[in-house]
Amino acid sequence: GIQVEQSPPDLILQEGANSTLRCNFSDSVNNLQWFHQNPWGQLINLFYIPSGTKQNGRLSATTVATERYSLLYISSSQTTDSGVYFCAVDGTGGYNKLIFGAGTRLAVHP
Amino acid sequence: DSGVTQTPKHLITATGQRVTLRCSPRSGDLSVYWYQQSLDQGLQFLIQYYNGEERAKGNILERFSAQQFPDLHSELNLSSLELGDSALYFCASSLQGGGDTQYFGPGTRLTVL
Repeated sequence: GIQVEQSPPDLILQEGANSTLRCNFSDSVNNLQWFHQNPWGQLINLFYIPSGTKQNGRLSATTVATERYSLLYISSSQTTDSGVYFCAVDGTGGYNKLIFGAGTRLAVHP
Repeated sequence: DSGVTQTPKHLITATGQRVTLRCSPRSGDLSVYWYQQSLDQGLQFLIQYYNGEERAKGNILERFSAQQFPDLHSELNLSSLELGDSALYFCASSLQGGGDTQYFGPGTRLTVL
């Protein structure tokens, strides 16, 4: 099945810093989503981005489907950005079975 | 708030018991998904339903079963519980069920003692 690798596994930032999280996947995908899991365990949908570039406030994401990777950019980080960021993909041709990466654990310090 | 609701939020039970987790999808969504998040396995897809019919299966144990009812809510039944079944169980929903955005509920934290 499709493999999803995220890097880095852990990231520590000072408030105000920028960061880039990477997601590599092993096959073509129909769906790619980025999620933020906050310290209370909630999974918050950030982007649906099987290809192209999207922006939402301080967050933006780019997926280069032909090269099988996606990037999540966080600018001017805040302590509330702390948590785990997951990339999830579906490559089943329309059944939408999301396969999750192991996540990047982000800690933003004041 | 994603619009997906799950009950209960927390569940504590003993080995060998059976529990039922409930999920109501976002208004208008036809597809429901169940995922399990455990420390050793990470986030894993269990099963998908679309408009009442099972559509896709993942790593779901035979002791687990699910269904989606005519009003589109779904239940995940876990039986003969083992310590290793302790996990966070998420329900998600999407409009169609193929290549569209999945929205996740707050999860049910199951602890098996």
